[in-house]
Amino acid sequence: EAQVTQNPRYLITVTGKKLTVTCSQNMNHEYMSWYRQDPGLGLRQIYYSMNVEVTDKGDVPEGYKVSRKEKRNFPLILESPSPNQTSLYFCASSHIPGRYGYTFGSGTRLTVV
Amino acid sequence: KNQVEQSPQSLIILEGKNCTLQCNYTVSPFSNLRWYKQDTGRGPVSLTIMTFSENTKSNGRYTATLDADTKQSSLHITASQLSDSASYICVVSAEYGNKLVFGAGTILRVKS
Repeated sequence: EAQVTQNPRYLITVTGKKLTVTCSQNMNHEYMSWYRQDPGLGLRQIYYSMNVEVTDKGDVPEGYKVSRKEKRNFPLILESPSPNQTSLYFCASSHIPGRYGYTFGSGTRLTVV
Repeated sequence: KNQVEQSPQSLIILEGKNCTLQCNYTVSPFSNLRWYKQDTGRGPVSLTIMTFSENTKSNGRYTATLDADTKQSSLHITASQLSDSASYICVVSAEYGNKLVFGAGTILRVKS
């Protein structure tokens, strides 16, 4: 089944403790992206990658890192999480987002205390 | 500034009734417009996509319209079902397709 898999689904952590949210897709998509979703604000892009070893900042990249060493994986790294990074995170992939739309993962609900 | 605004913010309707959700955008250059359905706790799933030349697109009980002149789109849901309860997100593609601008969504609740 074609899908985007994120892990974990839920995570509670403490301020400053580094964490990684994994994302993997099995559709051979070139384009992958991370979004955060907060009430009333809609989805905001954190980082995106157009292909292996190519990453770019989205609209809200501060406090996040990503890497794209392989085509299928696009982990999101929070080096020193803070409470304002408490949010619902989605990974998404596509061949060409504007033409084909995104396939989204099921989301990761992160709480930083 | 590229923006997508949706209305209403939330809506409650009775099962079997119809409803219409609105989307206004100021995105340029326009590539296409897509409506997504997002069930609680899940990722968004695409319902319809429309390019500049299309003004109506249907997917079962969902019908989307697009007026590229006024930069408005609507999503009409016919004979609503409890399973239609979700957030509906309007997304406009800009800059030749790789820049997506998301609306904040309309939360629809269908009651029995």
